[in-house]
Amino acid sequence: GENVEQHPSTLSVQEGDSAVIKCTYSDSASNYFPWYKQELGKGPQLIIDIRSNVGEKKDQRIAVTLNKTAKHFSLHITETQPEDSAVYFCAAKPPGYSTLTFGKGTMLLVSP
Amino acid sequence: DVKVTQSSRYLVKRTGEKVFLECVQDMDHENMFWYRQDPGLGLRLIYFSYDVKMKEKGDIPEGYSVSREKKERFSLILESASTNQTSMYLCASSSDPQTVYEQYFGPGTRLTVT
Repeated sequence: GENVEQHPSTLSVQEGDSAVIKCTYSDSASNYFPWYKQELGKGPQLIIDIRSNVGEKKDQRIAVTLNKTAKHFSLHITETQPEDSAVYFCAAKPPGYSTLTFGKGTMLLVSP
Repeated sequence: DVKVTQSSRYLVKRTGEKVFLECVQDMDHENMFWYRQDPGLGLRLIYFSYDVKMKEKGDIPEGYSVSREKKERFSLILESASTNQTSMYLCASSSDPQTVYEQYFGPGTRLTVT
């Protein structure tokens, strides 16, 4: 089955800096790569996703890049704010599957 | 807005008890999922269901069972709770897997087994 590795496990940045979280996946057939944000006391919520026919996608301060050859994808957050502090999960989905395989998560701390 | 609700935010049970965790979604979604979340281990899939009365094992089904008698409700059952089942349990739902992949999560139930 699919296996997703996520790094780093924790990331501390100063407000205004950029943050990058990286994931690798094992199944070259995977074609959907979402990112979820989990705030304290809440369930994860989808913040951005990318499909395998696209190399990059942006939504305001967040962007995701995908390198299919290397089987890795990354989340980029620019101009970080304290409210970006949360746990972020990447995931991958092979075609024909209903389920997602999640990475172990990254705790992002943004200091004012 | 899609809403996924879980019956309890916090639950404390004793070893050997039978435990029911309930999840309800209000968006007529076909798929429902139960995950367990532990520090350093991320989200691990316990069971999922793609239709009423249908269920599939996830990555860690041992010690758990599920029930889906109605489309909107998906229950996780711990037949005989053990201390190693102390964890955060998250329920999620999603629509047609052929076109829409987003999973909507409930707020979670933190279960402590003593």
